[in-house]
Amino acid sequence: KQEVTQIPAALSVPEGENLVLNCSFTDSAIYNLQWFRQDPGKGLTSLLLIQSSQREQTSGRLNASLDKSSGRSTLYIAASQPGDSATYLCAVNWDDKIIFGKGTRLHILP
Amino acid sequence: GAGVSQSPRYKVAKRGQDVALRCDPISGHVSLFWYQQALGQGPEFLTYFQNEAQLDKSGLPSDRFFAERPEGSVSTLKIQRTQQEDSAVYLCASSPARANEQFFGPGTRLTVL
Repeated sequence: KQEVTQIPAALSVPEGENLVLNCSFTDSAIYNLQWFRQDPGKGLTSLLLIQSSQREQTSGRLNASLDKSSGRSTLYIAASQPGDSATYLCAVNWDDKIIFGKGTRLHILP
Repeated sequence: GAGVSQSPRYKVAKRGQDVALRCDPISGHVSLFWYQQALGQGPEFLTYFQNEAQLDKSGLPSDRFFAERPEGSVSTLKIQRTQQEDSAVYLCASSPARANEQFFGPGTRLTVL
């Protein structure tokens, strides 16, 4: 069985700080790992997709890393802004389905 | 091109009613998935189609839940005799092929009174 855990569950940081969100998964036999953003009452926005053969992906101020053998991924957000406030979900593509973590609720203080 | 669309966006049902939720995947996408997201939780897998074949329905919570994709494109998730615990957002996703990136629709928020 695949389980995805995200730490911390919630995080508040002042604007401008760099921050790291953590994700771990129990079965390393994944096809890929994806980070999503979800605003309250809204759908999922895909941020970054890392294939199982890759180590990291970057998009603007976001950088995601993947260490498949240890079952870990991190999402690094540089120079945080109030508009980054949202819930961030980590998800692994495993056994033809996506298994999600419960998310990290991020609040950037102006 | 158009993304994944879902309808209705919001549905309110009285306990015991049947509901049908529709998903229009991205044209040409072979794989289609349904997920359920309860308030404050991450989405959870319900079922998966490859074309018209339902290959995995291990996540369906009870036999009141039924999904179909008869022509390999549009899919319908049906919930019979709705219960309050069925209240959630139902997300649909499609993918061009197995193990590819999944693209999500906006979801249908179901509220059972």
